[in-house]
Amino acid sequence: QKEVEQDPGPLSVPEGAIVSLNCTYSNSAFQYFMWYRQYSRKGPELLMYTYSSGNKEDGRFTAQVDKSSKYISLFIRDSQPSDSATYLCAMSAPNQGGKLIFGQGTELSVKP
Amino acid sequence: KAGVTQTPRYLIKTRGQQVTLSCSPISGHRSVSWYQQTPGQGLQFLFEYFSETQRNKGNFPGRFSGRQFSNSRSEMNVSTLELGDSALYLCASSLAQGIDTQYFGPGTRLTVL
Repeated sequence: QKEVEQDPGPLSVPEGAIVSLNCTYSNSAFQYFMWYRQYSRKGPELLMYTYSSGNKEDGRFTAQVDKSSKYISLFIRDSQPSDSATYLCAMSAPNQGGKLIFGQGTELSVKP
Repeated sequence: KAGVTQTPRYLIKTRGQQVTLSCSPISGHRSVSWYQQTPGQGLQFLFEYFSETQRNKGNFPGRFSGRQFSNSRSEMNVSTLELGDSALYLCASSLAQGIDTQYFGPGTRLTVL
């Protein structure tokens, strides 16, 4: 079983919809949680960075971390066709230095 | 400020050959990490370098190696290439070692025939 599980999708939604992306994890030592967006033929781009539990909002994006359930989410409000990409969750523990553990990625398509 | 650059962008090699990939971090960044991305395994950590020293290593065979130079530029080398080494190799840089925001380059697409 992988340390981080993420539904690969694909997920298709109409423009303007609220998108919910999720990851579960098994390592209780994870303290740092990130969401990256990756367009085709590009490197991952950092969207959100959260330490420990709680919510963080940035524009149309909201990241949630529930450490008791080992579950993290990314919500995208008012989704746009330009949001069509693969979304990757990533996590790290204090004793792992710069090593990020990634989910498989969810492919999102927002239809006009 | 220029982002992370990786060269070359595309490579085609045959089994048994070796390959060297290069990464130039964002100016001022001193830590470089390498990842392998494949459709089956996703993004997997290879190693992390800081101040010319390998600080962390993933679960890859010894055929995968790397180094970092005094200007923070990094190279990774894969010897005795296998078909399964075909992947996108991503470099990420950060200001400091350990937990810090990592910025990824566009990657080098390696195809092994």
